[in-house]
Amino acid sequence: GESVGLHLPTLSVQEGDNSIINCAYSNSASDYFIWYKQESGKGPQFIIDIRSNMDKRQGQRVTVLLNKTVKHLSLQIAATQPGDSAVYFCAEKEDSSYKLIFGSGTRLLVRP
Amino acid sequence: GAGVSQSPSNKVTEKGKDVELRCDPISGHTALYWYRQSLGQGLEFLIYFQGNSAPDKSGLPSDRFSAERTGGSVSTLTIQRTQQEDSAVYLCASSRFGGENTEAFFGQGTRLTVV
Repeated sequence: GESVGLHLPTLSVQEGDNSIINCAYSNSASDYFIWYKQESGKGPQFIIDIRSNMDKRQGQRVTVLLNKTVKHLSLQIAATQPGDSAVYFCAEKEDSSYKLIFGSGTRLLVRP
Repeated sequence: GAGVSQSPSNKVTEKGKDVELRCDPISGHTALYWYRQSLGQGLEFLIYFQGNSAPDKSGLPSDRFSAERTGGSVSTLTIQRTQQEDSAVYLCASSRFGGENTEAFFGQGTRLTVV
């Protein structure tokens, strides 16, 4: 079946540095993508989304980049803080569908 | 309420027992999802409700799993004759619309442990 996967299961960064979390997706029909953050013992929390008619979207300290040619999605976190330590999931959805398909996640560890 | 509420937050049950997990979605959200998350894994789609339409049950792993949504609001996920492999965190999410590009809001989840 279709799947969303991540290149790095664990990413360790120094506090203050920028973080980049990558995600590959396989369904070329997917046209909506979301990044979620999940802290220990909590449900996933929406961070930012992007539609396929865009290649970049910025939020507060976060930027999502979409490269449809190579089916690649990334989440950039500027000036990473200890509170950013969590597992990050990318998810995809087709416009004709309501199912969000999640990858296995990347754990971000922020070193003080 | 302000967010998606799930209960109980933790449930320990003996193998073979039935369990019921509850989800209260955000008021006004017509779409409701159940996902399962095994330790260290991603989220596995289980079932989807949208308004009065027939639910999409395609993700339910076996006929021991069932879910209902009463009055278009509260949903209950039932697992009969629980097995150890059912141990996971069960997450509920709701969104304003189904099939639209709108974000889904998740609850805290119910951690189910089958012993």
